[in-house]
Amino acid sequence: AQSVTQLDSQVPVFEEAPVELRCNYSSSVSVYLFWYVQYPNQGLQLLLKYLSGSTLVESINGFEAEFNKSQTSFHLRKPSVHISDTAEYFCAVRTPGSGNTGKLIFGQGTTLQVKP
Amino acid sequence: GAGVSQSPSNKVTEKGKDVELRCDPISGHTALYWYRQSLGQGLEFLIYFQGNSAPDKSGLPSDRFSAERTGGSVSTLTIQRTQQEDSAVYLCASSLGAGGLWELFFGEGSRLTVL
Repeated sequence: AQSVTQLDSQVPVFEEAPVELRCNYSSSVSVYLFWYVQYPNQGLQLLLKYLSGSTLVESINGFEAEFNKSQTSFHLRKPSVHISDTAEYFCAVRTPGSGNTGKLIFGQGTTLQVKP
Repeated sequence: GAGVSQSPSNKVTEKGKDVELRCDPISGHTALYWYRQSLGQGLEFLIYFQGNSAPDKSGLPSDRFSAERTGGSVSTLTIQRTQQEDSAVYLCASSLGAGGLWELFFGEGSRLTVL
């Protein structure tokens, strides 16, 4: 069975500092990997995804994540955070294919707290 | 509508009562999912509907939980004889198709408080 582990429940960081949110997954088959973000009092939004091809994927607001198959990781990074990045971030895994394998399995979430 | 719509946004109920939570997916989306978000627990998969296929109910925590999807569109999650541990935000999501490739779009959730 698939599972996702987000190693840090909370990550406090000062504005303009770099940040890394860690995510590891377990799966016996190939996977698709996702990061979702939930801003305060809002629904989840897709931040970025890895489906195939280049192992480094980027979002429009400066986040990037790298798929590392050997380490079964998909860590999220940003070189310089803003106050507006304060949110909860969820890593998720999904298997390719159709039917009942389509469900998305989430990690427990990491709260990023950006301080001025 | 433009996005996934859920109602009610907030529901307070007494222990032992039944509740119904509604989800209206994005028009044309064939797949629909229910998740539960509890404090410190992340997102817990509950149930998944895809077209006319039998739903994947593997995440429902007990037989007090059930869900229906009528006409391949609107879905209702029903919790019978609510317990305090059922307090959580219930999230609905839909996607254009089944399988790993399709992006899930989430509603803003229904916050359930069981007193």
